[in-house]
Amino acid sequence: DQQVKQNSPSLSVQEGRISILNCDYTNSMFDYFLWYKKYPAEGPTFLISISSIKDKNEDGRFTVFLNKSAKHLSLHIVPSQPGDSAVYFCAASAYYNQGGKLIFGQGTELSVKP
Amino acid sequence: DAGITQSPRHKVTETGTPVTLRCHQTENHRYMYWYRQDPGHGLRLIHYSYGVKDTDKGEVSDGYSVSRSKTEDFLLTLESATSSQTSVYFCAIRGTEGPEAFFGQGTRLTVV
Repeated sequence: DQQVKQNSPSLSVQEGRISILNCDYTNSMFDYFLWYKKYPAEGPTFLISISSIKDKNEDGRFTVFLNKSAKHLSLHIVPSQPGDSAVYFCAASAYYNQGGKLIFGQGTELSVKP
Repeated sequence: DAGITQSPRHKVTETGTPVTLRCHQTENHRYMYWYRQDPGHGLRLIHYSYGVKDTDKGEVSDGYSVSRSKTEDFLLTLESATSSQTSVYFCAIRGTEGPEAFFGQGTRLTVV
């Protein structure tokens, strides 16, 4: 039972345009959501998070939106840069209830073309 | 750099052989996790620890065991390696101030 799903395995975007990565979840106990970025042969690195009491969190070019009623979150990257090309994982946590272990989606490979 | 070291970084082993992967942290964080990454599956939690000698199972724990005798070390053991355990293994650590976990560089394990 996949509790966190990223239904798009890949996304290709032109440099300077917006990248939108999507993620869906099923467990209503999740109260924190995170995005990680991963380059080949490296470990995932934390990018941005949002708590369930918010619907938007912004950090520079990265914005995460949370729609609790739809159990959906998205990561917007504006403007996209070639260095953003990587695999992006969304993750969810029942931080206040289940000790905060992270459950990840399958990942979306973003390619930003010059 | 989150102060996490995984060893070895690469390993090739034969089916049926026991294998131990090590995760070492210098952050004194309470929580430690082992994940595996496979194409089409993302990162799946194998086992985690919430303190010395306190561990619990994750999503894909069959065939794996863990031990944590010191705060800084979290060991993952494959009792008898199988080809389905060929994967990239990541250790992660987390403090008590938020949900963000920080990952090591990974161990690429090949079971032949």
